[in-house]
Amino acid sequence: DGGITQSPKYLFRKEGQNVTLSCEQNLNHDAMYWYRQDPGQGLRLIYYSQIVNDFQKGDIAEGYSVSREKKESFPLTVTSAQKNPTAFYLCASSKQRHQPQHFGDGTRLSIL
Amino acid sequence: GQQVMQIPQYQHVQEGEDFTTYCNSSTTLSNIQWYKQRPGGHPVFLIQLVKSGEVKKQKRLTFQFGEAKKNSSLHITATQTTDVGTYFCAATSGTYKYIFGTGTRLKVLA
Repeated sequence: DGGITQSPKYLFRKEGQNVTLSCEQNLNHDAMYWYRQDPGQGLRLIYYSQIVNDFQKGDIAEGYSVSREKKESFPLTVTSAQKNPTAFYLCASSKQRHQPQHFGDGTRLSIL
Repeated sequence: GQQVMQIPQYQHVQEGEDFTTYCNSSTTLSNIQWYKQRPGGHPVFLIQLVKSGEVKKQKRLTFQFGEAKKNSSLHITATQTTDVGTYFCAATSGTYKYIFGTGTRLKVLA
């Protein structure tokens, strides 16, 4: 079955550490997205990519970085510059602009 | 930047009662999508509205897109406990970016 796989499901970050969240899709979708969701809140866009080797900042990109070297993969790195990283991170993809988004199961990141 | 306001933030209903959530934008939208997120889960796409004044139904769910394409609503008739979750609208205005509403958390009391 096609879908989006996020790993790990839970992640703990130490002070000053960079961590990378994985997102892989086999839906053959062009666009991929990273969102952050805080408890009881909506989804805020971190980064998005319309095509391989291209990506744009979303509304809360500071302290995060991404790469899009392959169509299937869009990893998110939470850097030490992100002072409040505890949240639920969701990766999504869509075939084209304005098409429905498919979400992964998410990664819950906490600070040790 | 563009914002999408969603009301109410929370809604508790007795099982069998109706429920409505509203999504409003200050700018004209290209389309609007609705998602449902169960507690502890991820958002799942429900429907997309594109045309002005469009109305779509999915069993007990009715979705509307306003004539000016600036607002939308989701109405659930005779709620069931399986309807529990947070309902989000998401709008686009010509780019690849989706702007999500703040969501309406629905609790259904049996």
